[in-house]
Amino acid sequence: QITLRESGPTLVKPTQTLTLTCTFSGFSLSTSGVGVGWIRQPPGKALEWLALIYWDNDRRYSPSLKSRLTITKDTSKNQVVLTMTNMDPVDTATYYCAHSPRINWGLDYWGQGTLVTVSS
Amino acid sequence: QSALTQPASVSGSPGQSITISCTGTSSDVGGYNYVSWYQQHPGKAPKLMIYDVSSRPSGVSNRFSGSKSGNTASLTISGLQAEDEADYYCSSYTSSSTSVVFGGGTKLTVL
Repeated sequence: QITLRESGPTLVKPTQTLTLTCTFSGFSLSTSGVGVGWIRQPPGKALEWLALIYWDNDRRYSPSLKSRLTITKDTSKNQVVLTMTNMDPVDTATYYCAHSPRINWGLDYWGQGTLVTVSS
Repeated sequence: QSALTQPASVSGSPGQSITISCTGTSSDVGGYNYVSWYQQHPGKAPKLMIYDVSSRPSGVSNRFSGSKSGNTASLTISGLQAEDEADYYCSSYTSSSTSVVFGGGTKLTVL
């Protein structure tokens, strides 16, 4: 049974760096073809794909946010960490992590999401 | 990269069929069979309904089907039920950035 859970601060100030952790179970990020991605959704708005990391450390980023994002993995802890620099109120959103098979670029298992508010 | 284009809203009566379109370019929808569809109920995480244009994950009702023609993918829901009322998002691999792009979402109302 695959599960994912996001954790991190619920409130960050403008210009600060956000660090979110995705802790998962039911699969290993050392298994060929496996990936974990991050997606966000501002209140009342659409989903936005952010970043993804694969078992072989291949990393992909949204081109519009690439300069601000870093995605890393800790295989031994079953965790994926996303950092986003220079946070702004427009980055207020629910942030999700999800399991992503390399073979189809889909997101087949999702965490419940964590709401991050950017405000001074 | 631009988001894929979806209608803002669609509606249908119980038992009817509806189709939601998702228009991209030859760099994404038209160039690859990596189109997925997600259902999202209010306050919930999205759920994968279709992947690889037309494949259904285990447990997803066969009332949901996907297809593609040129740069436009489509999600069809047959035999509409009240529980189908939700937001639907398409996504596709895009070669322009070797990443993934989502559509703007479509709100389905079951009348």
